[in-house]
Amino acid sequence: QVQLQESGPGLVKPSQTLSLTCTVSGGSISSSGYHWIWIRQHPGKGLEWIGYIYYSGSTYYNPSLKSRVTISLDTSKNQFSLNLNSVTAADTAVYYCASAISTVPHYWGQGTLVTVSS
Amino acid sequence: DIVMTQSPDSLAVSLGERATINCKSSQSVLYSSNDKNYLAWHQQKPGQPPKVLIYWASTRESGVPDRFSGSGSGTDFTLTINSLQAEDVAVYYCQQYYNTPWTFGQGTKVEIK
Repeated sequence: QVQLQESGPGLVKPSQTLSLTCTVSGGSISSSGYHWIWIRQHPGKGLEWIGYIYYSGSTYYNPSLKSRVTISLDTSKNQFSLNLNSVTAADTAVYYCASAISTVPHYWGQGTLVTVSS
Repeated sequence: DIVMTQSPDSLAVSLGERATINCKSSQSVLYSSNDKNYLAWHQQKPGQPPKVLIYWASTRESGVPDRFSGSGSGTDFTLTINSLQAEDVAVYYCQQYYNTPWTFGQGTKVEIK
């Protein structure tokens, strides 16, 4: 089965860019029908869907974050990435990568805490 | 955006008893062309990432115990945990994947009474 693992800095300064990578194992990131997803969870709060990149490379972002988000694929490394720019303390959260097949969610990563602080 | 509203926010159930969680969507998540409800349930145990329990409103993910069941259609859905076990203590989220942005309910915390 597909396994996902997030990686990246745990601390980002305000106004800078948050960059995370999700490494996929047990399956190809180019597999037909897969959505590769980023979701975040503010401390003690619920889940917020950030966006996805389809296996073909097309993307969709939550309108609430759209102006600051980029999700990309790296097929050579079987990874996908999240960039969130101009971060503030409100972007402090646990960031999860996840996958869906034909929009049906199936797998989650373990999550990584990113703190925005100077 | 489709708003997902769960009830209750929390509940305490005795071991071996039934827990019932409700989820209501602000618009139908039933796709008429395939008669499927684009609704999933996720379980998040303390200190762990979420895990998919159910998709298509009632299909259990592989390996999920059969005491978990999902039902409902259109805008009203239910997650039922029969014979609650200690390991079922968690927050449960419903999620629609009918329309982007995919949205989650606020979560329901299940505890042991």
